[in-house]
Amino acid sequence: QSALTQPPSASGSPGQSVTISCTGTSSDVGGYNYVSWYQQHPGKVPKLMIYEVTKRPSGVPDRFSGSKSGNTASLTVSGLQAEDEADYYCSSYAGSNVVFGGGTKLTVL
Amino acid sequence: EVQLVESGGGLVQPGGSLRLSCAASGFTFSTYWMSWVRQAPGKGLESVANIKKDGSEKYYVDSVKGRFTISRDNAKNSLYLQMNSLRAEDTALYYCTRGRISRDYWGQGTLVTVSS
Repeated sequence: QSALTQPPSASGSPGQSVTISCTGTSSDVGGYNYVSWYQQHPGKVPKLMIYEVTKRPSGVPDRFSGSKSGNTASLTVSGLQAEDEADYYCSSYAGSNVVFGGGTKLTVL
Repeated sequence: EVQLVESGGGLVQPGGSLRLSCAASGFTFSTYWMSWVRQAPGKGLESVANIKKDGSEKYYVDSVKGRFTISRDNAKNSLYLQMNSLRAEDTALYYCTRGRISRDYWGQGTLVTVSS
C-alpha cells in the first residue's frame, strides 16, 4: 500500500496549460481504470475533479482533463486561472483500499 | 443536498480510544460504500477504511489494521470509526466520505489529536 508518486510542485502562468503526473505500479494505477484527482484549497475540503481516469463530475470545468498511460496517470489543467492554485491529489484503486499520491502544489504565476 | 457531518474527535492520550461518527443526509445512505480519509497536519490524504453498502465487507490501510474498526447503521444513516490503541501518528483531521473508489462528497472533518 505505497503512496503514489507526484511531483511536489508545478506552476504555470494564467492561460497556460500544466500537467501533473501520478506514478504507481501495475497493482494500482496500471491495473485499473480507477484513477481519481482531487483539488484542495488551503483550509478547505478536497473536491473531486476527475474520476475513472477521464470523467468529470458535474460542475467541474472542462479545462480539467485526465489521462493514463501504463502506470502513470496525468491531470492537465488548460487555460490556467488564478483560482486553480491549490493542492492536487491523485488516487487509485489498489485491490481493496484506495491509495493516494503525496500531493502537488500548483502555483499560478 | 448531500451532507456529511462528523463528530467525536478530540484530544486523547497515546493508547487511548475514540469513536468517530458521521451523520449522512440528502441521499440514500444504504446504497453507497462509505469511507474514512485522514489528513495529518500539513500532510497529504490517506484512505483509512471503507465499508460496503450493507456492511458485509470492510477494508483498512495496513497501519490501522487490528486497531480501528469501521461500521455503519443504515437505519440511522450513520457511519462510525472506532479507534483503539491510538498513536501519535494517528493525529489528523478525519473526513467522512461517500464512495469506495472515487469520493464525491466529503464532510468538514473532525480533528483527532493523540498526545500526552
